[in-house]
Amino acid sequence: LAKTTQPISMDSYEGQEVNITCSHNNIATNDYITWYQQFPSQGPRFIIQGYKTKVTNEVASLFIPADRKSSTLSLPRVSLSDTAVYYCLVDPNNTDKLIFGTGTRLQVFP
Amino acid sequence: DVKVTQSSRYLVKRTGEKVFLECVQDMDHENMFWYRQDPGLGLRLIYFSYDVKMKEKGDIPEGYSVSREKKERFSLILESASTNQTSMYLCASSLGYLVQRLLHEQYFGPGTRLTVT
Repeated sequence: LAKTTQPISMDSYEGQEVNITCSHNNIATNDYITWYQQFPSQGPRFIIQGYKTKVTNEVASLFIPADRKSSTLSLPRVSLSDTAVYYCLVDPNNTDKLIFGTGTRLQVFP
Repeated sequence: DVKVTQSSRYLVKRTGEKVFLECVQDMDHENMFWYRQDPGLGLRLIYFSYDVKMKEKGDIPEGYSVSREKKERFSLILESASTNQTSMYLCASSLGYLVQRLLHEQYFGPGTRLTVT
């Protein structure tokens, strides 16, 4: 299973755009890139998944370059409620097992 | 909405006790998972099950066992609790990849914070 590397923590202020980059050098052809969000005292929840180029939903955008060795989660105009831990995962298409790393702890300040 | 429930939010047990953590999902998912989460270590997979009576070891199965007698229920068992098993335990479920290949989003329960004294 491909390993991911992402920053341990990031700080931002309300209203700013936040970009969290994840590297996954050993990603396989059939793997998807998935991001989860975890608030304190809750289980993680899925926010976005992509295979290549760009994916956007009501929560975030995911940018994946052509070589797919990295990806960037973009949160537009963050608010205090976006303070959470964000996990980048490589989601193999041949198994249901996911590997969560330690994630990126995002702190949003007023 | 998918709902994953765990039997307790907080649990305190003594060293050597047998501990059962129960998880129930209501969406007829094939897969169920048990993780533990510790500061600085992220989520680590203990066991998962892709069908009734089927189980596979995750990354840290030592000291744990599991039981899945019904599709909706997945139990984590600590045969003899130890202090190093004090942790947050998270249960999750998902559709099997054979059912939905493109996305097998995992749905998590609220977690059980277990303290072993």
